[in-house]
Amino acid sequence: NAGVTQTPKFRILKIGQSMTLQCTQDMNHNYMYWYRQDPGMGLKLIYYSVGAGITDKGEVPNGYNVSRSTTEDFPLRLELAAPSQTSVYFCASSYSGTSGRAALLMEQYFGPGTRLTVT
Amino acid sequence: QQPVQSPQAVILREGEDAVINCSSSKALYSVHWYRQKHGEAPVFLMILLKGGEQKGHEKISASFNEKKQQSSLYLTASQLSYSGTYFCGTRGSGTYKYIFGTGTRLKVLA
Repeated sequence: NAGVTQTPKFRILKIGQSMTLQCTQDMNHNYMYWYRQDPGMGLKLIYYSVGAGITDKGEVPNGYNVSRSTTEDFPLRLELAAPSQTSVYFCASSYSGTSGRAALLMEQYFGPGTRLTVT
Repeated sequence: QQPVQSPQAVILREGEDAVINCSSSKALYSVHWYRQKHGEAPVFLMILLKGGEQKGHEKISASFNEKKQQSSLYLTASQLSYSGTYFCGTRGSGTYKYIFGTGTRLKVLA
């Protein structure tokens, strides 16, 4: 298994340009997440998905859009890039297990990240 | 809303112990702990559930105080490989959102 893959690894955008960050997982996980991590900071949730066709906003969704047409793919779209979107973007996937009768969201598997610079 | 971790940074000598705390203002259902090395993606360490159950795969222990909405990660007999930034990821009941904490930078010296 390749796990979670992200493309591209690096990208430089000019202000106002648009791009799509690709994320694919081959573990048949239902749950997928997009995070951004600014230098020296923690992870901020942008969007997440609990299955194909279902997405929801996280902490910092403004300036981004997502879609989830298949279980495997969860692309992140940046429209009208701004310098404030300079960051490292991580995609992650997860699956559910059980603990007794309770549904349990298991650990997240992260992709290697995309380093984006907007100038 | 972001969980607060303490300390922000800690320096240890090999073999020393450390405790990293994660405190949330919201009711928690579960807590994850991750370690991130510089320039790499976070790697899973442990899950703690409401009710005390733990699931993990490293020789690291942790606790979850549901009443105080706090979790602590215990690193004993630290090794050089323990260096990195530690994050807690918290999830509330009825949601699939994970909100990560502010992070704790740990450096282990020989």
